[in-house]
Amino acid sequence: DIVMTQSPLSLPVTPGEPASISCRSSQSLLHSNGYSYLDWYLQKPGQSPQLLIHLSSYRASGVPDRFSGSGSRTNFTLKITRVEAEDVGVYYCMQALQTPKTFGQGTKVEIK
Amino acid sequence: QVQLQQWGAGLLKPSETLSLTCAVYGGSFSGYYWTWIRQPPGKGLDWIGEINHSGSANYSPSLKSRVTISVDTSKNQFSLILSSVTAADTALYYCARGNDEGTVEYWGQGTLVTVSS
Repeated sequence: DIVMTQSPLSLPVTPGEPASISCRSSQSLLHSNGYSYLDWYLQKPGQSPQLLIHLSSYRASGVPDRFSGSGSRTNFTLKITRVEAEDVGVYYCMQALQTPKTFGQGTKVEIK
Repeated sequence: QVQLQQWGAGLLKPSETLSLTCAVYGGSFSGYYWTWIRQPPGKGLDWIGEINHSGSANYSPSLKSRVTISVDTSKNQFSLILSSVTAADTALYYCARGNDEGTVEYWGQGTLVTVSS
């Protein structure tokens, strides 16, 4: 199985300030088509997870442009340019390259 | 708009069989991977398995001996069966739709399943 490792696991943030989460995979997620199969999800308190970013850097429909994803092969980053109160929750990366799909441990983002 | 609505028994005793069903509303049923994911209380997300509309399934190796995912294309539904449950299977179970890039695009509301004697 591909192991996904996120850091930090807890991230206190100040509204209006930037935030960044790292995700590393134990194997390359680069597909032969040139895309890295890495997704980011946000689970807001009491809700089901929702898709933020797919294929490492493509925002899902309706996701604000303050969210961006980058990276390739084994190293990935999710950035929020200016955190808003509604961004609190747990962020997960997931490798979608092969089964079993595997998730990072999650990064809990909370407002300072 | 795609919606997934799930249901099933929420309280089981050890050794019983977990059974959940997910109905899909909106969008096509073919061309996607119908997925189950679970989340133990206070913990992260674990992928259980997926199935396509023609019935080809993939399972998590750790659960493969106990899990079956099936589809009913006539009803636009898919189901999860997990046998011989223990307290370790206590979790919030989500049904979801995955695309051919592996991305999980839509999630159900979740069903809490508690295993307790």
